[in-house]
Amino acid sequence: DNQMTQSPSSLSASVGDRVTITCRASQNIGNYLNWYQQKPGKAPKLLIYGSSTLENGVPSRFSGSGSGTDFTLTISSLQPEDFATYFCQQSYRIPQTFGQGTKVEVK
Amino acid sequence: EVQLVQSGAEVKKPGESLKISCKVSGYRFTNYWIGWVRQMPGKGLEWMGIIYPSESDIRYSPSFQGHFTISADKSINTAYLQWTSLRASDTAMYYCATKGGVPYDAFDIWGQGTMVTVSS
Repeated sequence: DNQMTQSPSSLSASVGDRVTITCRASQNIGNYLNWYQQKPGKAPKLLIYGSSTLENGVPSRFSGSGSGTDFTLTISSLQPEDFATYFCQQSYRIPQTFGQGTKVEVK
Repeated sequence: EVQLVQSGAEVKKPGESLKISCKVSGYRFTNYWIGWVRQMPGKGLEWMGIIYPSESDIRYSPSFQGHFTISADKSINTAYLQWTSLRASDTAMYYCATKGGVPYDAFDIWGQGTMVTVSS
């Protein structure tokens, strides 16, 4: 399996902070990297696909970058509604594994 | 509007069988892959498998070692996840999701989830 390793596992931040989450794949996955946001008690929501393309309706403060094995999700100015858990996922090969998640908490 | 509506929460005993469903509306059911994702309590997301209903093409994650079966009924636009003998460790939230609207095989539409509790 292609292992996906996210860091950090959790972070504390304040509204307005710039937040960066990284995701590393154990094998080259090209640009087949997606990011999801999950809030407590809710289904995950697609934020970014293909490493850097924002899903319709996702605010522009979210951005993604990277290719190959190293990827980044950045929130340029954290908003109250952004406190959640974020997961990366590789969709290059089956099984299309997820990272373990990064919980963004209030500082 | 594309919607995935999952069946309701289940409480079962170890060894019992179970089939949960995911009904799709708003798009041509047979044209897109539908996947299943497990989330154990307080844990992350685990990719279980996917099905392409028009060809009954099914791919499973080796990590689950064939413990469940994925199927679909094209006549009623519904995908299924089924166990013949549940274990306590199957206690989890199960999501279906489809990858039809965007490239790179991302899951762009998700069901609301089905909570499965297995306890004696």
